[in-house]
Amino acid sequence: AQKVTQAQTEISVVEKEDVTLDCVYETRDTTYYLFWYKQPPSGELVFLIRRNSFDEQNEISGRYSWNFQKSTSSFNFTITASQVVDSAVYFCALSYTGGFKTIFGAGTRLFVKA
Amino acid sequence: DTGVSQNPRHKITKRGQNVTFRCDPISEHNRLYWYRQTLGQGPEFLTYFQNEAQLEKSRLLSDRFSAERPKGSFSTLEIQRTEQGDSAMYLCASSPGSGTSEDQETQYFGPGTRLLVL
Repeated sequence: AQKVTQAQTEISVVEKEDVTLDCVYETRDTTYYLFWYKQPPSGELVFLIRRNSFDEQNEISGRYSWNFQKSTSSFNFTITASQVVDSAVYFCALSYTGGFKTIFGAGTRLFVKA
Repeated sequence: DTGVSQNPRHKITKRGQNVTFRCDPISEHNRLYWYRQTLGQGPEFLTYFQNEAQLEKSRLLSDRFSAERPKGSFSTLEIQRTEQGDSAMYLCASSPGSGTSEDQETQYFGPGTRLLVL
């Protein structure tokens, strides 16, 4: 069965702090994809980053970086120098080739205070 | 390149009424998905279309729910005899049918239709 767990329900930080959002997934598939989406108060899910199961190289994109470790089934997401506009709910998601659907975690609500 | 659009953005209805939502995917995206999101939860998959073919339906999609994509472009989601438990945000997403596997698996979401059943 596919499952995504985001253990952090809410995180509150002060502007300019770095913040890491945790994600643990379960799947029996060898080929799968992991995503992070942001959902601001307006409600629209915004695609942020993705990673496939064969590429464990961690990357940085602007203020975003991610740490993918297959050994621990984790796909953590870090925002560097957080800003008030980063306040939103962040979802980790898992999809698998031919599965047609994406499984989402319950989300982590991030509050960034000025 | 416009994004996924959904109409209406908000819908209030009385229990027992039928409602229909529309989704217009990103042009040239041949994959279209519907999800339901309740407060404090992540989106839950409802159904998936590749072009006009409905290839997968969740068990969440009871017989009161029906989705169509008649010409492989826009899609409609209809809920018959609405119940208060149907109150949720209904999200539509699309993804391309070409490109790398990663490209095809990356879904782009619309703003959603928030349904309130009184």
